[in-house]
Amino acid sequence: DIQLTQSPSSLSASVGDTVTITCRASQIMSNYLNWYQVKPGKAPKLLIHTASSLQSGVPSRFTGSGSGTDFTLTISSLQPEDSATYYCQQSFSSPRTFGQGTKVEIK
Amino acid sequence: EVQLVESGGGSVQPGGSLRLSCAASGFTFNNYWLHWVRQAPGKGLVWVSQINTDGSNTNYAGSVKGRFTITRDNAENTLYLQMNSLRAEDTAVYYCVREFTTSSGRRFDYWGQGTLVTVSS
Repeated sequence: DIQLTQSPSSLSASVGDTVTITCRASQIMSNYLNWYQVKPGKAPKLLIHTASSLQSGVPSRFTGSGSGTDFTLTISSLQPEDSATYYCQQSFSSPRTFGQGTKVEIK
Repeated sequence: EVQLVESGGGSVQPGGSLRLSCAASGFTFNNYWLHWVRQAPGKGLVWVSQINTDGSNTNYAGSVKGRFTITRDNAENTLYLQMNSLRAEDTAVYYCVREFTTSSGRRFDYWGQGTLVTVSS
């Protein structure tokens, strides 16, 4: 199974800041990496697919990059509504594993 | 509009059984792989099981293998998860998820709202 390690596990930033979340895979998996946003009581929402493609309807302040084993999610100009937990997920192989999550709090 | 609506959750004692259902609409059901993903209270997302388009190929997380069974009824546009020998650690919100596949990758593009399963004596 492919293991995904996210860092940091949590962060706190101010409105307008730029934050970066890292996801490292235990093996090379091309660009088969997706990012999701989860808010309490809500279904997860797809933000970024295939490492760097913005899902339709997602604000452009969310960007993804990386390939191989190292990937990043960057949120530019952080907004209050971005307070959530973010997960990376690999779709290279089964099982479709997730990272452990990064909780983003707004100061 | 794509919709995935789960049902069947509830409270059950350890060792008991539940059958979750996921009614799908708004897309050609038998063209997509489907998955169950769960989230225990205060914990992260965990993939549980997957099924291919015609139901001939399934896969399970090690923690549920031998206890859970995923099936689908393409005539009724419904996904199922039969959960037997339930344990306290199976307590979670269970999401039905559609996987969209292209030549460049795969992603979970639509999620249901989830159904809560509580296993407790």
